[in-house]
Amino acid sequence: QVQLQQWGAGLLKPSETLSLTCDVSSGSFSGFFWSWIRQPPGKGLEWIGEISHSGTINYNPSLKSRVLVSVDTSKKQFSLKLTSVTAADTAVYYCARGLGIWSPAIDYWGQGSLVTVSS
Amino acid sequence: SSELTQDPAVSVALGQTVRITCQGDSLRTYYASWYQQKAGQAPVLVVYGKNMRPSGIPDRFSGSSSGNTGSLTITGAQAEDEAVYYCNSRDSIDHHVVFGGGTQLTVL
Repeated sequence: QVQLQQWGAGLLKPSETLSLTCDVSSGSFSGFFWSWIRQPPGKGLEWIGEISHSGTINYNPSLKSRVLVSVDTSKKQFSLKLTSVTAADTAVYYCARGLGIWSPAIDYWGQGSLVTVSS
Repeated sequence: SSELTQDPAVSVALGQTVRITCQGDSLRTYYASWYQQKAGQAPVLVVYGKNMRPSGIPDRFSGSSSGNTGSLTITGAQAEDEAVYYCNSRDSIDHHVVFGGGTQLTVL
């Protein structure tokens, strides 16, 4: 059973950088795309970006200028950095596993991390 | 455009069949995937591909596709199916992932 465990700072001030990391335990790390998705309170899901084990990256065009997704295959971990945060970036952030570039399916999700941006 | 459009809310009587739809140009290239999200929980994948279900998902959940529309059908809805359902797909040009706005399903 694939498990995704995520961690990072939960409270940020405007203009700071959001940083989250996700650890993948059990299952293969290669052959999948590793994604970040967020959900503002009371709203829908927004895909942020993804990275493959080999470093292929896709970003949401609306966030691309502020997002960096990276991977450490030796640790089976991947990370998210979102710069210059504002209150609009307040959301539950999920790490997740995607089935690949030819499928939108995301089959395993982390537990979610609430990140609040407030002065 | 890679946008996906879903009806905000749908209701179904207990034990009846309900179809939730998702419209978007990218669905002419990709099959929609469908997720169930209950309050305070992470989404759960229920249907993906042509009509595939992950292990543990009841067979009352099924998927179909026609043109630019993907559909999730629940045959014999149960009280525990009450949730928000999201579809997603990939943009057919640059392959970034996109989610629909979600459909709140109420089981009466």
